[in-house]
Amino acid sequence: DSGVTQTPKHLITATGQRVTLRCSPRSGDLSVYWYQQSLDQGLQFLIQYYNGEERAKGNILERFSAQQFPDLHSELNLSSLELGDSALYFCASSQGQGDGYTFGSGTRLTVV
Amino acid sequence: GESVGLHLPTLSVQEGDNSIINCAYSNSASDYFIWYKQESGKGPQFIIDIRSNMDKRQGQRVTVLLNKTVKHLSLQIAATQPGDSAVYFCAVPSQNTGFQKLVFGTGTRLLVSP
Repeated sequence: DSGVTQTPKHLITATGQRVTLRCSPRSGDLSVYWYQQSLDQGLQFLIQYYNGEERAKGNILERFSAQQFPDLHSELNLSSLELGDSALYFCASSQGQGDGYTFGSGTRLTVV
Repeated sequence: GESVGLHLPTLSVQEGDNSIINCAYSNSASDYFIWYKQESGKGPQFIIDIRSNMDKRQGQRVTVLLNKTVKHLSLQIAATQPGDSAVYFCAVPSQNTGFQKLVFGTGTRLLVSP
């Protein structure tokens, strides 16, 4: 157990729908990062939050959004889902912004 | 922007052999490098890291070598075991955003046969 908790582990939904993925960082970690892993794209950075504020943005689609709450857990919202959004979504956390991070076990999203 | 690539998508070895997984990076200003291991159904797990002021760093059964001249690093696993079967990624902090974004290579799948 890495200490980073992601729920749900699996999600199957239809095109056009909206889902929310949840991440609880390790105790004491202030930064949360979201990554998307698909077969042909590898691990792609989506977005980072530090202590509730967005700090960095990657190739995140406009249909996707995220936030970090006062208790430091984070949610990734994916809307108007398309078949191509099927992937593993990983959350990672770190204490600050200058150290390596710890990944959760991921949420496998399947859009049908 | 940065790019990170691995030389082989798959590496097959026999149990007990030494494994070498290679990675190339594009940004000569990169100063920190990390290797991750990802087992099936799990998230990437930190293995070992190295800073650019070092050429070599050793862990338990793993060694990372860094050649800044040719922008290449390698992960060596000694006496490879079936439990080492996984996908291995090298990662480099983005030059623009540092640890706010890690750029990952495409990964090498290590297959260990008994």
